[in-house]
Amino acid sequence: DQQVKQNSPSLSVQEGRISILNCDYTNSMFDYFLWYKKYPAEGPTFLISISSIKDKNEDGRFTVFLNKSAKHLSLHIVPSQPGDSAVYFCAAKDDKIIFGKGTRLHILP
Amino acid sequence: GAGVSQSPRYKVAKRGQDVALRCDPISGHVSLFWYQQALGQGPEFLTYFQNEAQLDKSGLPSDRFFAERPEGSVSTLKIQRTQQEDSAVYLCASSLGAALGEQYFGPGTRLTVT
Repeated sequence: DQQVKQNSPSLSVQEGRISILNCDYTNSMFDYFLWYKKYPAEGPTFLISISSIKDKNEDGRFTVFLNKSAKHLSLHIVPSQPGDSAVYFCAAKDDKIIFGKGTRLHILP
Repeated sequence: GAGVSQSPRYKVAKRGQDVALRCDPISGHVSLFWYQQALGQGPEFLTYFQNEAQLDKSGLPSDRFFAERPEGSVSTLKIQRTQQEDSAVYLCASSLGAALGEQYFGPGTRLTVT
């Protein structure tokens, strides 16, 4: 059973608008969450993280929100740019890092 | 560059062959991880080293999979008697400290078993 779920396989967003990628998890013991971005033929690259003691972390155009009661986190990208087109993986940590299946983001011109 | 490198980038093996996949982590990184990524899936944990010690190998799918990091730097993932279901991208990642923090990934080795 998947412990980290990204229920949207793909998402298309107009350039300049906000992209919102969602992630749900089942294990309340997760204490740290991460978002990775992946381009084709490359390994995932770290984007942003959040500890379970916080509900928001911001880094430039990227903000991650954590709702522990709902076991839900989201990544907001604003404004979206063409270079943001990639696969985004949500990941959570207990004694190892567990990844979701990813969401492919398309930024439309 | 100074990133994580993996070789070969692509490997085609006939079913039953043994393969060895190499990972060169970022210099000085204590922790090294191997992941398997099947098509359309996220990376799945295989094993974890802290220096030369293999602290967790719970994700290795069978005893045909073996990983080592004898000197605490370069690591090799070996798959014996490859099967078609072993076809995947094998990702290596390293991190500076011992805690499971931010990991830096290599480009992966795409293994195709025919």
